[in-house]
Amino acid sequence: GQSLEQPSEVTAVEGAIVQINCTYQTSGFYGLSWYQQHDGGAPTFLSYNGLDGLEETGRFSSFLSRSDSYGYLLLQELQMKDSASYFCAVRSGGYNKLIFGAGTRLAVHP
Amino acid sequence: NAGVTQTPKFQVLKTGQSMTLQCAQDMNHEYMSWYRQDPGMGLRLIHYSVGAGITDQGEVPNGYNVSRSTTEDFPLRLLSAAPSQTSVYFCASSYSNSGANVLTFGAGSRLTVL
Repeated sequence: GQSLEQPSEVTAVEGAIVQINCTYQTSGFYGLSWYQQHDGGAPTFLSYNGLDGLEETGRFSSFLSRSDSYGYLLLQELQMKDSASYFCAVRSGGYNKLIFGAGTRLAVHP
Repeated sequence: NAGVTQTPKFQVLKTGQSMTLQCAQDMNHEYMSWYRQDPGMGLRLIHYSVGAGITDQGEVPNGYNVSRSTTEDFPLRLLSAAPSQTSVYFCASSYSNSGANVLTFGAGSRLTVL
């Protein structure tokens, strides 16, 4: 089966950098994805890593090490609007059958 | 372009009642899925479908039925609601092999079972 572990909560101040880690166990690996969800909203896709290394999209970056079954999401120049929950997810088998971690709640303070 | 549309947004049921949560997408996505979200437990996959006429179970399928008669629609049925099914339900869709594992989610349906 699949399982993912990520911290439950992270707190940071505006302008800072925060890293949210994710470790996973999966039978067969098809990439690690990250989703953002604001309170009361729907999850939205942020980033994907299919191969080892860093992917950068504006203020957000995501890293993957397949040998360590580990990845992280890096958020730079934090803004208040980044306060949200962040989920890592792995694909289970074919198609986009995604299994999600329990989520990390990020609180950004002034 | 509406994306993924879920109805109803809110619903209160009594134990033992049945109901159907509707999900429709207008993006011609082959893959559709239902998740439930409970506090501290993230998103758990209930059922999924890879095309019209094809469905399969996810992580937590008990108590739920699905069918996929068209590409656009993927309803989730609760045959006999239980308080343990109180949750927020999300429908999501994608192309079958989008590579980047990109799911588009609906706005969610909040269900309370008394």
